[in-house]
Amino acid sequence: GAGVSQSPSNKVTEKGKDVELRCDPISGHTALYWYRQSLGQGLEFLIYFQGNSAPDKSGLPSDRFSAERTGGSVSTLTIQRTQQEDSAVYLCASSLAGPDLFQPQHFGDGTRLSIL
Amino acid sequence: QKEVEQNSGPLSVPEGAIASLNCTYSDRGSQSFFWYRQYSGKSPELIMSIYSNGDKEDGRFTAQLNKASQYVSLLIRDSQPSDSATYLCAVNVNSGYSTLTFGKGTMLLVSP
Repeated sequence: GAGVSQSPSNKVTEKGKDVELRCDPISGHTALYWYRQSLGQGLEFLIYFQGNSAPDKSGLPSDRFSAERTGGSVSTLTIQRTQQEDSAVYLCASSLAGPDLFQPQHFGDGTRLSIL
Repeated sequence: QKEVEQNSGPLSVPEGAIASLNCTYSDRGSQSFFWYRQYSGKSPELIMSIYSNGDKEDGRFTAQLNKASQYVSLLIRDSQPSDSATYLCAVNVNSGYSTLTFGKGTMLLVSP
């Protein structure tokens, strides 16, 4: 079966432009997560969706960042007025949301975002 | 504040040796524990999950969990150069919603 799909794989844009990053989770996975990973750094949690709702937005670094999920499937992460410090790899993951034990997350290949 | 700590490394081992990767976590309520492998320039790949105290073996990999000591480890037997990667420890606290807290990872280098 298909894994988590992210697009674009690479994005280069000028400072101040808006960007949209897309994530298509594994079919049947109700939980979806966005992370950011800067060069040589660990994973930074951004936002979590359960279905179309976002119970945890605590990791979004500023109000320039927003995300939505529609139909319990595809999610879009939008960064407005991009800054150079937004340059990073943006990773999406999905998991089954079991009632008891936490299910592992499966990652997409990421979008490498470069702000000039 | 939930924290997951790992030694950044690099941990260098010769081919064929046992590599031991360690992780500690701060939240005693943590219930689920995962090890991910991340090759340079690639996304994290799940290699082990463990939920109860003791050892769990899968091929050359063994995960060990000690909840009393808040410690989880990953052993890689017969290490191969292809095992050279960064290993991320991830921990979940089932607090009504499901997120993972990741450590910063330990870089493993296996020399031929």
